[in-house]
Amino acid sequence: EDQVTQSPEALRLQEGESSSLNCSYTVSGLRGLFWYRQDPGKGPEFLFTLYSAGEEKEKERLKATLTKKESFLHITAPKPEDSATYLCAAGGATNKLIFGTGTLLAVQP
Amino acid sequence: DAGVTQSPTHLIKTRGQQVTLRCSPKSGHDTVSWYQQALGQGPQFIFQYYEEEERQRGNFPDRFSGHQFPNYSSELNVNALLLGDSALYLCASSLGAEQYFGPGTRLTVT
Repeated sequence: EDQVTQSPEALRLQEGESSSLNCSYTVSGLRGLFWYRQDPGKGPEFLFTLYSAGEEKEKERLKATLTKKESFLHITAPKPEDSATYLCAAGGATNKLIFGTGTLLAVQP
Repeated sequence: DAGVTQSPTHLIKTRGQQVTLRCSPKSGHDTVSWYQQALGQGPQFIFQYYEEEERQRGNFPDRFSGHQFPNYSSELNVNALLLGDSALYLCASSLGAEQYFGPGTRLTVT
């Protein structure tokens, strides 16, 4: 069965303290691995798409990487405005996205 | 360029009632997907519409139905509402693999 698992469930960082979020997936025929940011009560905001192992994408303080079984979202020198839930989703052989439960990130000043 | 829009923003219904949620896709997108997100969970796929046909469906009962119009906008209908249907309903539009989400409709069933 296709599955996406994210860890940790919650992460508290001090401003400037870098860390990584993990997304492991078991999906038949992976067509893309997607990262989203979601603020409370709002829809997910698209961040990155990764298509093949070894691929990396960067945007400001965020960098996403992909292996054959996992993806990582690296956050470098985070700021309080980076606080949000980060969702990982896998697109498989079908057209739907399979989401993990997310990592709730809190960055304290 | 307008993104994905959804209406209404919030909705309160009583058990057993029926509800219709609406979605307008991002300009140039032809595919609309609907997701249900319970509190503290990731979005769960309901179904996807392309060329006015349901192309893919998740594990949701027949009480959940949808429609796509010639202008690519879409509706989600839920009949015989249950308390467990309370959630954030998200619409996503796409042209290729990347799906862009709207702000969602918060449905509360009492």
